Amino acid sequence: DQQVKQNSPSLSVQEGRISILNCDYTNSMFDYFLWYKKYPAEGPTFLISISSIKDKNEDGRFTVFLNKSAKHLSLHIVPSQPGDSAVYFCAAFTIQGAQKLVFGQGTRLTINP
Amino acid sequence: NAGVTQTPKFRVLKTGQSMTLLCAQDMNHEYMYWYRQDPGMGLRLIHYSVGEGTTAKGEVPDGYNVSRLKKQNFLLGLESAAPSQTSVYFCASSSPDQPQHFGDGTRLSIL
Repeated sequence: DQQVKQNSPSLSVQEGRISILNCDYTNSMFDYFLWYKKYPAEGPTFLISISSIKDKNEDGRFTVFLNKSAKHLSLHIVPSQPGDSAVYFCAAFTIQGAQKLVFGQGTRLTINP
Repeated sequence: NAGVTQTPKFRVLKTGQSMTLLCAQDMNHEYMYWYRQDPGMGLRLIHYSVGEGTTAKGEVPDGYNVSRLKKQNFLLGLESAAPSQTSVYFCASSSPDQPQHFGDGTRLSIL
């Protein structure tokens, strides 16, 4: 049973436009949600997070939205840049114990010039 | 400023062989983790540690053992490698209130 799902394996967006990456989850006990970005042959790097008590968090070009009733979160990148081309993973964890992250399958974002 | 360092970066094993993957972090983090990533799947937690001398099972622990004898190191062992353990292995570390930092991975092939 996959608790965190990213249903779009890939997404292609024009440079300068908005990229929207989506993530759904089933476990209502998750306390934090994170987005990681991964380039080939590198490890994931942290991008942005949101607590379950908030519905929006913004950091520069990146905004994460959380809809708890729908168990859905999304990452918006505005404007999209060629360097944003990467695989994006959403992840979640509960605060009991260590940060045991549960990851989605990832979405490959390609920004076209 | 190394962060999280994994060794080796690549390895090919034969079925039944054993090996140890080493993870070292220089950020004085309490928590350390081992994940595996398989094609079309996200990262899955194998084992983790919340402090020196402690380890615990994650989502997919079978066939693996770990040790955390020093705070900065977290070792992942395969006692008898199987083709199903062919994967990319990632180590991560964090303090309790900060997001995890990942190493660049070890690509392991088992023939």
